Amino acid sequence: KQEVTQIPAALSVPEGENLVLNCSFTDSAIYNLQWFRQDPGKGLTSLLLIQSSQREQTSGRLNASLDKSSGRSTLYIAASQPGDSATYLCAVYGREGAQKLVFGQGTRLTINP
Amino acid sequence: DTGVSQNPRHKITKRGQNVTFRCDPISEHNRLYWYRQTLGQGPEFLTYFQNEAQLEKSRLLSDRFSAERPKGSFSTLEIQRTEQGDSAMYLCASRSWDSIYEQYFGPGTRLTVT
Repeated sequence: KQEVTQIPAALSVPEGENLVLNCSFTDSAIYNLQWFRQDPGKGLTSLLLIQSSQREQTSGRLNASLDKSSGRSTLYIAASQPGDSATYLCAVYGREGAQKLVFGQGTRLTINP
Repeated sequence: DTGVSQNPRHKITKRGQNVTFRCDPISEHNRLYWYRQTLGQGPEFLTYFQNEAQLEKSRLLSDRFSAERPKGSFSTLEIQRTEQGDSAMYLCASRSWDSIYEQYFGPGTRLTVT
């Protein structure tokens, strides 16, 4: 059974810092991995999707990497801003045919002005 | 282009009542998913439709839960005889038939059972 873990559960940093969020998964036979952002009481916004054949994806100040062999992904946020405060969730998609995302519990990020 | 929509956004009900939620996916997305999220946790998969066919159900989906997608467009999730443990955010997602498998989520329906 696939299990996804995110560390740390919460993180508070001053504005302007670069930071890394971690995600690990137990079964390396994944199809893709998605990083999401969730604001309090809201739905999920997709940030980046990395297919199993890719090593990383970039969007603006965000960079996500994937190491399937070690079962790890990281989300790097450059020059953090107060507007980046949210919960960040990673989710893995099982082998093709397994039609669901398995989520971690999220990292709650607070950027202090 | 409208995203995934869900109604209602909030529902407060008394224990024992039945509730129904609706999800309208992105047009032409033939895959539709329901997830449940409790406070402080990541979403958990409930069920999956391809067109009108319900192809997978989680063990979380007890006999009190039923989901339909009658014409392969919108979907409904009904909970009968609600319990306090059903209080959660119910999220709907959809994706197209392509090979990337990216899922797009709606704003969710927050259910509170009193």
